[in-house]
Amino acid sequence: DTGVSQNPRHKITKRGQNVTFRCDPISEHNRLYWYRQTLGQGPEFLTYFQNEAQLEKSRLLSDRFSAERPKGSFSTLEIQRTEQGDSAMYLCASSYGTVRYFGPGTRLTVT
Amino acid sequence: TQLLEQSPQFLSIQEGENLTVYCNSSSVFSSLQWYRQEPGEGPVLLVTVVTGGEVKKLKRLTFQFGDARKDSSLHITAAQPGDTGLYLCAADTNAGKSTFGDGTTLTVKP
Repeated sequence: DTGVSQNPRHKITKRGQNVTFRCDPISEHNRLYWYRQTLGQGPEFLTYFQNEAQLEKSRLLSDRFSAERPKGSFSTLEIQRTEQGDSAMYLCASSYGTVRYFGPGTRLTVT
Repeated sequence: TQLLEQSPQFLSIQEGENLTVYCNSSSVFSSLQWYRQEPGEGPVLLVTVVTGGEVKKLKRLTFQFGDARKDSSLHITAAQPGDTGLYLCAADTNAGKSTFGDGTTLTVKP
């Protein structure tokens, strides 16, 4: 197994555009998490899936953000009408028990 | 208010020195994790501490969980340039949701 993968690794977009990120978790991991990290801060929890069910969603996740995990495997995070404040590293993690394994992240820059 | 307070925020030391970083909270946690993160990468789990007063060692790294399960420390002996990175503590606040501190950025100069 190659670990958690995220694509793309970098994304530059103009304000107002929509972007979508993909996360492929470790095989058979039933839990998948999305976090956002800005410079100088630790990761902030965004949302969490157990299999295909979205069980927790942070208040940080405005209506412009949506996440899916349609078949309980890979997940997508979409940001609509991006704003400059959305610029950050978006991290995905997966787990089977309590240990979370993180992917390398997608760095989003909104110009 | 940050649930997990990490200190110091930045630490720059010479190779061979010892150091301790701290993770404090007013809340009680069932477990606490320490991660190390390098620039442009995701955090990598170092250890999970579960029992109050627990001490775990990972080569030159020693992790301690406070007796009341509200705080933790990470001690590095004879630091090396390869130890450079962002050290994060994290705890689960309820099922699935976790919170991270803002980390300690460690620089070890050769």
